[in-house]
Amino acid sequence: AQSVTQLDSQVPVFEEAPVELRCNYSSSVSVYLFWYVQYPNQGLQLLLKYLSGSTLVKGINGFEAEFNKSQTSFHLRKPSVHISDTAEYFCAVSEALGGFKTIFGAGTRLFVKA
Amino acid sequence: GAGVSQSPSNKVTEKGKDVELRCDPISGHTALYWYRQRLGQGLEFLIYFQGNSAPDKSGLPSDRFSAERTGESVSTLTIQRTQQEDSAVYLCASSSPKGGWDEQFFGPGTRLTVL
Repeated sequence: AQSVTQLDSQVPVFEEAPVELRCNYSSSVSVYLFWYVQYPNQGLQLLLKYLSGSTLVKGINGFEAEFNKSQTSFHLRKPSVHISDTAEYFCAVSEALGGFKTIFGAGTRLFVKA
Repeated sequence: GAGVSQSPSNKVTEKGKDVELRCDPISGHTALYWYRQRLGQGLEFLIYFQGNSAPDKSGLPSDRFSAERTGESVSTLTIQRTQQEDSAVYLCASSSPKGGWDEQFFGPGTRLTVL
C-alpha cells in the first residue's frame, strides 16, 4: 500500500526567503508524484507532477520539485516566496501502472510573512 | 467549460439525520473521486469511480457512508445517521485518465456541519 508523509504541518517563512516543503512516500511499485495547492477559500489545483524522465520538475508560480528515488522523496522548493504563496500544499502519489487511486499527504500550511 | 460543481455548498444537519451530497463532474471525465477533509487535516480518500468498473470503496469509513454514480455523470455521497465526527468538507474531483496518469480537477466542496 502506498503512503505519503509530509513532515511539516506548518512552515512560516519571510517574504523573499527560500522555502522547502518536504514529502516522503512509500510504495512497492513505480509511482507518479504530485503537488497540489489549495489557496484560502479556493479548491485544490495541480502545482506540478512527476511521471518519468528528468527528476527535476517545474510547476506554476516558480515552484519546482525533485524526485529522489533512493530517498523516496519529492520535496517542493521555491527560491523566493511571495505573500501570495500562502496556502496549503499537498503531496500526492498514485501507482504508475494499473489504477488511478491517489493518496494525499496531510498537507503543509505555508505562511509567508512580510 | 464548467468545472466540477458540488451542492449544497454548506449543509447543517442534526445528529442522526441522513444527508446527501451531490457532485457534477466535468463533462467527459470518466473518473470521479470523493474525499473528506476535516478541519486542519489533509484529504482522506473515500471512494473512486472509473467508467463501468466496480468502484473502489476502500476509503469509506463505515457502512453509514455510501456513494453512487450514474454512468459517467452525477455522483451522490450519502451519509446515514450522521454523527458529529462526520463534520468536514467533502470534496469531489473528476479526471480523464490518459497516458497512465490523471490530473484531478476539484470542486469547491460541501461543508457539512453535524450539530
